[in-house]
Amino acid sequence: GQSLEQPSEVTAVEGAIVQINCTYQTSGFYGLSWYQQHDGGAPTFLSYNALDGLEETGRFSSFLSRSDSYGYLLLQELQMKDSASYFCAALPGNTGFQKLVFGTGTRLLVSP
Amino acid sequence: GAGVSQSPSNKVTEKGKDVELRCDPISGHTALYWYRQSLGQGLEFLIYFQGNSAPDKSGLPSDRFSAERTGGSVSTLTIQRTQQEDSAVYLCASSLERHLTDTQYFGPGTRLTVL
Repeated sequence: GQSLEQPSEVTAVEGAIVQINCTYQTSGFYGLSWYQQHDGGAPTFLSYNALDGLEETGRFSSFLSRSDSYGYLLLQELQMKDSASYFCAALPGNTGFQKLVFGTGTRLLVSP
Repeated sequence: GAGVSQSPSNKVTEKGKDVELRCDPISGHTALYWYRQSLGQGLEFLIYFQGNSAPDKSGLPSDRFSAERTGGSVSTLTIQRTQQEDSAVYLCASSLERHLTDTQYFGPGTRLTVL
């Protein structure tokens, strides 16, 4: 089967740094994506890792370790607007198209 | 430019009725995906369109679910004889599909409630 595990909820304060972990188990693996979804909103793409290591995009960074089937999303200088759900999504890569498999999501609550 | 749009934004129906959900992808995007998101859950893949054809329908939960795409653009997801377990947010996404990793852009979803 295919599954991605994430913590259900993470809390932090404004200005802090938070890490959201994702472990995956998929038949075939091409890369790992991260999406942000505010309540009632559309998921929006944040980052994608195909290779091991850290990818940085402004306040957000994403990390992948293929050998450990593990990745994380790092959010720095947290702002209230970062309160949202964050989903990791694996790209199995053996389907011929971008058939993403999503985790159940991590709800991030940022407090003042 | 315009993003992915979906209609209606909310749909309340009675058990046993048929519903149609519409998705307008970003112009020029050849790939279109439908997902279902139950309360507090991740996104569950339903079906993928490449142009007007659907090479992968493996995520459709039952034969009550069907989808079509016309003109390489608008797509309609139809649920026949709705059941309460069909209640969820139905999300549509589109991408250029030049590469396997092209970003999927999501619409705001249709929240379906089956009473």
